[in-house]
Amino acid sequence: QSVLTQPPSASGTPGQRVTISCSGSSSDIGSNTVNWYQQIPGTAPKLLIYSNNQRPSGVPDRFSGSKSGTSASLAISGLQSEDEADYYCATWDDSLNGWVFGGGTKLTVL
Amino acid sequence: EVQLVESGGGLVKPGGSLRLSCAASGFTFSSYSMNWVRQAPGKGLEWVSSITTSSSYIYYADSVKARFTISRDNAKNSLYLQMNSLRAEDTAVYYCARGSGSFSTDAFDFWGLGTMVTVSS
Repeated sequence: QSVLTQPPSASGTPGQRVTISCSGSSSDIGSNTVNWYQQIPGTAPKLLIYSNNQRPSGVPDRFSGSKSGTSASLAISGLQSEDEADYYCATWDDSLNGWVFGGGTKLTVL
Repeated sequence: EVQLVESGGGLVKPGGSLRLSCAASGFTFSSYSMNWVRQAPGKGLEWVSSITTSSSYIYYADSVKARFTISRDNAKNSLYLQMNSLRAEDTAVYYCARGSGSFSTDAFDFWGLGTMVTVSS
């Protein structure tokens, strides 16, 4: 069971906007910034969003992140078929003194 | 171009040991924290261990504490994970990931392709 809670699945049609939530506690999300990773099946994870809402170079601005209190969200607008992947949130946990990941959300583009 | 190449995975019996390596290139290895993250077959990502630039700070997940040891050799641009007393639940793809800065709390901005570890009799 993961420390951070994500919905196991999400879906949308091309062009739609979808959001994926990530819920934590005061010792993790409540105290530290959140990162999001995208993993296309069979490949290594890729950093998508860091420090709650920053995009690494090369990540389209269709991807955005936000954080409020002990929860965070990833939004994908203008959904494309290539966005079909697993998405993970992660943050540092001050109580565990280590990183914690969400269980992952499988995004399906219908 | 940043490259991280893991090696050392394989099949090992329960209770056995294995040493993973991660060869880094394309950046100043000694300036970045490094991490190991694993993924069991069909499961999500699980953080394993982190090490800061000069090995001053080292952290482990509770699930591997006292069994795994992370280390680095900045002269050889290499990261290691010594895994002892292996269990079936350690079966996973092990990824080497670079921290985006020198702190253990920096995001993992580059990942290797991973190396598979299978613990089975």
